Amino acid sequence: DGGITQSPKYLFRKEGQNVTLSCEQNLNHDAMYWYRQDPGQGLRLIYYSQIVNDFQKGDIAEGYSVSREKKESFPLTVTSAQKNPTAFYLCASSARTILNTDTQYFGPGTRLTVL
Amino acid sequence: SQELEQSPQSLIVQEGKNLTINCTSSKTLYGLYWYKQKYGEGLIFLMMLQKGGEEKSHEKITAKLDEKKQQSSLHITASQPSHAGIYLCGADPRITGFQKLVFGTGTRLLVSP
Repeated sequence: DGGITQSPKYLFRKEGQNVTLSCEQNLNHDAMYWYRQDPGQGLRLIYYSQIVNDFQKGDIAEGYSVSREKKESFPLTVTSAQKNPTAFYLCASSARTILNTDTQYFGPGTRLTVL
Repeated sequence: SQELEQSPQSLIVQEGKNLTINCTSSKTLYGLYWYKQKYGEGLIFLMMLQKGGEEKSHEKITAKLDEKKQQSSLHITASQPSHAGIYLCGADPRITGFQKLVFGTGTRLLVSP
């Protein structure tokens, strides 16, 4: 079955540690995205990638880093520079066409808690 | 920047009742997406609307986009416990030529037996 997987589902981190969240898709989508969701707020875009080896900052990129070495994979690293990292993180992907609006499909999410 | 406002923020309905959730944009929408989320899980795509006046249905859920393309409504007929969750609208402002969605804060729906 095609889809998006995220791991781990739950992640605990001590202050000052970097952690990496995994996102893998087998939908053959070119574009991938990382969002952060906090209680009472909508999803906020952290980073997105339109194609392999290319990515752009979203609205709240500070304290985060990404890589896009393979089409299927778009890992997100939450660095110690992120002041308030406790949140629910969602990865998404979409087929990339210039003329049409393409639906984003989401993974199951990773809940990160800083202890 | 584009903002989306959803109303109501939360809703409790009795099973079998109809309900409507609204999503209002500060600017004209290029595309409007509806998603459903169970607590602690990812978003499930429901429907996408693009043309003014467009209406789509899936099972007991109907979504409409107004003619001016600034407001959308999601209507659930004869609600069931399986409809419970958070409903989010997302808009494509198409500013950059690449789809970057802006999301509303969501409407939390509880269906009581």
